[in-house]
Amino acid sequence: DIQMTQSPSSLSASVGDRVTITCRASQSIRNYLNWYQQKPGKAPELLIYAASNLQSGVPSRFSGSGSGTDFTLTISSLQPEDFASYYCQQSYSTPRTFGQGTRVEIK
Amino acid sequence: QVQLQESGPGLVKPSETLSLTCSVSNGSISSFYWSWIRQSAGKGLEWIGRIYSSGSTSYNPSLKSRVTMSADTSKNQFSLRLSSVTAADTAVYYCARDAPSKSVAVDVWGQGTTVTVSS
Repeated sequence: DIQMTQSPSSLSASVGDRVTITCRASQSIRNYLNWYQQKPGKAPELLIYAASNLQSGVPSRFSGSGSGTDFTLTISSLQPEDFASYYCQQSYSTPRTFGQGTRVEIK
Repeated sequence: QVQLQESGPGLVKPSETLSLTCSVSNGSISSFYWSWIRQSAGKGLEWIGRIYSSGSTSYNPSLKSRVTMSADTSKNQFSLRLSSVTAADTAVYYCARDAPSKSVAVDVWGQGTTVTVSS
């Protein structure tokens, strides 16, 4: 199985801050990397697919980059509705695997 | 917009079989992969497996011996069966759709259903 490692596991930030979350794969997954946002009691929602493609309807303050084994999710200016958990997922091979998540909290 | 809805018992006894169904509305299950994903406090998000509308399957090796998935195109539904459950199978179970045009990301999720394994 491909292991996905996210960092940090949690962070505290203020509205307007630039936030960066990283995800590392245990082997190359080319650009088969997806990011999801999950709010408490809700299902995850797709933010970014194929490392850098914004899902329809997702605000442009979200962006993704990377290829191979190292990937980044950036929120350029954190908004109140962005306080949530974020997960990366590889779709390069089965079994699909997820990072352990990053919880973004209000500072 | 395609919508998914999980249904099934919320409480299952240890050693019994967990059975869930996902009903798909506003779209057809044909020509897509459909996944089951679960989330527990201890293990985060775990991919259980997926089924193509034609019936071909791929399961997580960690669960493969206990998992069976099926699809019913006439009812526009797909199902999960997990046998010999233990407390470790207590989780929120999501059904989901893989988007082939989006790096096979999961682009549609059900709301999730909580399954507790307890006697």
